[in-house]
Amino acid sequence: GENVEQHPSTLSVQEGDSAVIKCTYSDSASNYFPWYKQELGKGPQLIIDIRSNVGEKKDQRIAVTLNKTAKHFSLHITETQPEDSAVYFCAASMGGFKTIFGAGTRLFVKA
Amino acid sequence: DSGVTQTPKHLITATGQRVTLRCSPRSGDLSVYWYQQSLDQGLQFLIQYYNGEERAKGNILERFSAQQFPDLHSELNLSSLELGDSALYFCASSVASTVIDEQYFGPGTRLTVT
Repeated sequence: GENVEQHPSTLSVQEGDSAVIKCTYSDSASNYFPWYKQELGKGPQLIIDIRSNVGEKKDQRIAVTLNKTAKHFSLHITETQPEDSAVYFCAASMGGFKTIFGAGTRLFVKA
Repeated sequence: DSGVTQTPKHLITATGQRVTLRCSPRSGDLSVYWYQQSLDQGLQFLIQYYNGEERAKGNILERFSAQQFPDLHSELNLSSLELGDSALYFCASSVASTVIDEQYFGPGTRLTVT
């Protein structure tokens, strides 16, 4: 079955620096790759996603890249702010079927 | 606010007991997913329902079962509870077509088994 590996498990950056989180997936049939942000005591919130027919997508300070050949995708956060501190999850799914999540990255942004 | 509601917010019960967690999806969403999140762990996919039918199954224990009703709300039943079942249980909903499958998560139910 599908397996999603996520690195690093913890990331600490200075405010204003960039943060990069990387994920790899195993099932080449996966075609949808969302990223979620989970703040303490809340449910995960979708922040950006990318589909297999696209190599890169950007939304303000957040960007995601996808390399289908290598089966890996990454989340890039630029100009980090303290409110970006949270746990980030990557995921992979196949068109409306079950979604498999990575183990999560705990991001700390130091002011 | 994602539009997905879950009740109860907190649940404390004893080992061996049975509980039911409830989820109402966003208006228009046909699919409901259940996830378990243990302390400092990732999200473990349990089961997915689509328009009342089971669509996909993950690592769901035999002691756990779920269903989706005609009004599309879903219930997750956990029986013969063990200490290790203590976790956050999230429900998510989506349109779940082959083109549109963004999931929106509810606030979760925190289950504590003592």
